[in-house]
Amino acid sequence: EDQVTQSPEALRLQEGESSSLNCSYTVSGLRGLFWYRQDPGKGPEFLFTLYSAGEEKEKERLKATLTKKESFLHITAPKPEDSATYLCAVQARGAGGTSYGKLTFGQGTILTVHP
Amino acid sequence: GAVVSQHPSWVICKSGTSVKIECRSLDFQATTMFWYRQFPKQSLMLMATSNEGSKATYEQGVEKDKFLINHASLTLSTLTVTSAHPEDSSFYICSASLQVLNQPQHFGDGTRLSIL
Repeated sequence: EDQVTQSPEALRLQEGESSSLNCSYTVSGLRGLFWYRQDPGKGPEFLFTLYSAGEEKEKERLKATLTKKESFLHITAPKPEDSATYLCAVQARGAGGTSYGKLTFGQGTILTVHP
Repeated sequence: GAVVSQHPSWVICKSGTSVKIECRSLDFQATTMFWYRQFPKQSLMLMATSNEGSKATYEQGVEKDKFLINHASLTLSTLTVTSAHPEDSSFYICSASLQVLNQPQHFGDGTRLSIL
């Protein structure tokens, strides 16, 4: 069974204080690892897809990296508007047929950035 | 691009009524749509996978007669919660994707369902 564990559950930062969020996973052959941002009362917003170990992607203050066992979301000099829940999800290589594209989500990390 | 619209955003109704939630992909044809349920401070739990023109695939423990899913076109899927009860109150979110390798799911803004 595919599993995704995110840590920490909650993270409080001062504006400008860089940090990282962790996503550990076990999956029967990784097809892709996805990062999403979710604001309260909203659906998740797509951030990144990572496909293979060693891959990195960046978007503004966010940078996602991937190893064979985990992914990190690095936040550089965060601003209050970066406050949200960050979700990590994996898609298994074996997810075919009627389960094509199925994602397994972690519990999320609630990030709060104080001004 | 990749906009998914979900309607309604909030529903309050009496116990025993049925509620229909619509999910539309506005700027792409979604061969596959997914329905999730999210409880407060918890992550998304997949309820079912919906492929256009075929029956939905439900996750273990999800009652298919309780949660009816229809995916009649490449841009519209509906979830009907039949004979809703207070324990069905939750945040329901749909997503849509192209059935192409590694394409991300794009999510709607969810429907807050409250059963009195």
